[in-house]
Amino acid sequence: SQTIHQWPATLVQPVGSPLSLECTVEGTSNPNLYWYRQAAGRGLQLLFYSVGIGQISSEVPQNLSASRPQDRQFILSSKKLLLSDSGFYLCAWRRTGNTEAFFGQGTRLTVV
Amino acid sequence: GESVGLHLPTLSVQEGDNSIINCAYSNSASDYFIWYKQESGKGPQFIIDIRSNMDKRQGQRVTVLLNKTVKHLSLQIAATQPGDSAVYFCAENNAGNNRKLIWGLGTSLAVNP
Repeated sequence: SQTIHQWPATLVQPVGSPLSLECTVEGTSNPNLYWYRQAAGRGLQLLFYSVGIGQISSEVPQNLSASRPQDRQFILSSKKLLLSDSGFYLCAWRRTGNTEAFFGQGTRLTVV
Repeated sequence: GESVGLHLPTLSVQEGDNSIINCAYSNSASDYFIWYKQESGKGPQFIIDIRSNMDKRQGQRVTVLLNKTVKHLSLQIAATQPGDSAVYFCAENNAGNNRKLIWGLGTSLAVNP
């Protein structure tokens, strides 16, 4: 069976510090991978998606970047966090052509 | 622009009643639509989907209706239970970009005992 792991679950970081959130998928190959951000009480905002190793598409201009160094690994990064980067970050995967996306448990990031 | 939105941000129902959550979409080219449930502090979970060539699809206690004429989607939950309390999102798949889902804002469903 397929599983998705996302860590850490919570994170408190000072403004200006770097960020690295990691997401890994098990039990499948060549998944489409996604990073979303969800502000409190709001919907999902797609940040990045990747269809293969080294292939990253950015949806919105922002202070964040993403990388996919391995087929089932997706990393969300920032060199210097802003207060506005606070939120609930979700990683997800989906097979091309399938309707269902599978989400990780999320990382709640608070920038102070 | 293309968007998927929800008519009601919050919905409160009595346990045992039926719930109806509505969603409007604007992209006629979307080829399928999906409903997700998100419990507090967790990632969204897939509930049910419907292809654009269908009008209705039923699952366990849930029914999704699609009205392409008015670009409206609804999720009906029968005999709502306390465990159904969550935020419900509709999403549409842009047929021109199979890698992306366009998400609605979400409706919070509260089930009163």
